[in-house]
Amino acid sequence: EDQVTQSPEALRLQEGESSSLNCSYTVSGLRGLFWYRQDPGKGPEFLFTLYSAGEEKEKERLKATLTKKESFLHITAPKPEDSATYLCAVSGTGFQKLVFGTGTRLLVSP
Amino acid sequence: DGGITQSPKYLFRKEGQNVTLSCEQNLNHDAMYWYRQDPGQGLRLIYYSQIVNDFQKGDIAEGYSVSREKKESFPLTVTSAQKNPTAFYLCASSNVVGYEQYFGPGTRLTVT
Repeated sequence: EDQVTQSPEALRLQEGESSSLNCSYTVSGLRGLFWYRQDPGKGPEFLFTLYSAGEEKEKERLKATLTKKESFLHITAPKPEDSATYLCAVSGTGFQKLVFGTGTRLLVSP
Repeated sequence: DGGITQSPKYLFRKEGQNVTLSCEQNLNHDAMYWYRQDPGQGLRLIYYSQIVNDFQKGDIAEGYSVSREKKESFPLTVTSAQKNPTAFYLCASSNVVGYEQYFGPGTRLTVT
């Protein structure tokens, strides 16, 4: 069964303290891995799509990487406005839907 | 600005009443989706539609119904048969099924 597991469930950082969020996945034939940011009470905001192992994408303080079993979202020198829940999802070649993880709640304190 | 709109933002209903949630997109996307989000759980797919006049059940379709009469619109009806309808409902769209989806702001439904 296709599955996505995110860790940790919650992460508290001080402003400027870099860290990484993990997304482990099991899928038969990866079509794409997707990262989203979700603020409380709002819809998820699309961040990145990664298609193959070794691929990396960056946006401001965020950098997403992909291996054959997991993806990391690296946050460099985070600011309080980076506080949000980060969701990971995968899509396999054998099915048409996205499978979402339960997310990592990130809190960055000033 | 292109995007997805959902209305209303908050919705309150009495138990036993059907309620319809609106979703409109102007991204010219072919595929549209409805998800339900509950605390501590991942997004769960209710229904999706690849093209106009066609839709498929997702993982938790029981107690819900949809229609896709126009490319831009994909309304969701929560029927009285849905046993636990109180939740945050999200609509999304994508250019092609299975690729990145773009979400609306969500509707929080409370049934008492």
